[in-house]
Amino acid sequence: DTEVTQTPKHLVMGMTNKKSLKCEKHMGHRAMYWYKQKAKKPPELMFVYSYEKLSINESVRSRFSPECPNSSLLNLHLHALQPEDSALYLCASSQVRAVMETQYFGPGTRLLVL
Amino acid sequence: TQLLEQSPQFLSIQEGENLTVYCNSSSVFSSLQWYRQEPGEGPVLLVTVVTGGEVKKLKRLTFQFGDARKDSSLHITAAQPGDTGLYLCAGAGYGGATNKLIFGTGTLLAVQP
Repeated sequence: DTEVTQTPKHLVMGMTNKKSLKCEKHMGHRAMYWYKQKAKKPPELMFVYSYEKLSINESVRSRFSPECPNSSLLNLHLHALQPEDSALYLCASSQVRAVMETQYFGPGTRLLVL
Repeated sequence: TQLLEQSPQFLSIQEGENLTVYCNSSSVFSSLQWYRQEPGEGPVLLVTVVTGGEVKKLKRLTFQFGDARKDSSLHITAAQPGDTGLYLCAGAGYGGATNKLIFGTGTLLAVQP
């Protein structure tokens, strides 16, 4: 099963708010990812968790804070965001089959920062 | 630095036409994935190609991985409005505990009825 779910679907927040994005994946996937995507552009990698440990941080600003509470859940905590942080935030998970690693994406959270 | 260039960047065609999208790099990839994304949704995996020269078909879509595993193409036959979306290729490199995908620049396809 390759399903990745994300909540909420849409989020509007002010620059002083604190909010969290949530992602859930199915068992058997060894890595989880957070991406940021602007309209009509490819996704930009933010963070990678491998076996529940942060393995890649693409120099993301500290107003984004990832958390992996267990092997199925991934959170992205948001604080003091700027309007330019408005984007589609995508979670993905990956599994390895016969040395081929494939990433599966969730539906995304559309974030608007006012 | 690994880069994947897609062409064309934008494509608007009539229903029933054929089209090809190219994904090119100077780097070698262990595998390459194609995704289609509709506005406001996450990318949906279409196919993964692994072997140089490999050809995979998915109904009216034909995917090919270059012999040297540096490039790929997606051919759509008799395009339909439902094919409209952002097409992304993404290459996976070698080694490492996690494979970091290198995304192509994207091709935005609009199929007019």
